[in-house]
Amino acid sequence: AQSVTQLGSHVSVSEGALVLLRCNYSSSVPPYLFWYVQYPNQGLQLLLKYTTGATLVKGINGFEAEFKKSETSFHLTKPSAHMSDAAEYFCAVSGNQGGKLIFGQGTELSVKP
Amino acid sequence: EAGVVQSPRYKIIEKKQPVAFWCNPISGHNTLYWYRQNLGQGPELLIRYENEEAVDDSQLPKDRFSAERLKGVDSTLKIQPAELGDSAVYLCASSLESGGAWETQYFGPGTRLLVL
Repeated sequence: AQSVTQLGSHVSVSEGALVLLRCNYSSSVPPYLFWYVQYPNQGLQLLLKYTTGATLVKGINGFEAEFKKSETSFHLTKPSAHMSDAAEYFCAVSGNQGGKLIFGQGTELSVKP
Repeated sequence: EAGVVQSPRYKIIEKKQPVAFWCNPISGHNTLYWYRQNLGQGPELLIRYENEEAVDDSQLPKDRFSAERLKGVDSTLKIQPAELGDSAVYLCASSLESGGAWETQYFGPGTRLLVL
């Protein structure tokens, strides 16, 4: 079975500060890992994904994530937060059952001016 | 390129009433997914189609939920009768190929259902 745990349901940062959203996964097979962002009343948009190869993955809007197998983690970071980054962020894993994505519960990011 | 289209965007019904949601995936995408997102939680897969075939419906409550994807393009998800616990956002997603675990899924804006 696969599962995802996102540490912290709510994270608040100041504009310009580092953004760190934590994601740990459990998987009995090599995982594929995804980060999606959801703005209010909108669907989910892919930020980045890890499939194979380089463990540091760069995505849109300046976000990146590093796959650490030994720590079963896939944390999302951005060096400098912008007001427009305020949204809900979801980490997801797949690999055990075809295209079925298993999502974490989400982390709401607030950005203070 | 148009994204995944869903309608209606919002629906309010009384319990025991039927309701249906419609989804049109991105043109050329063979795989279509329906997810349910409860308040404060991540989406959960209900059913996955590859073309017209439902290849994973293990999480679909078949006593009241049904889905179809005629001609392998757009899809309809139905609930009959609706219960209070069905209040959620119903998301449709599509991907290009055979629904492989590595593929990017593209999500529509969702249908927000409120059952009174």
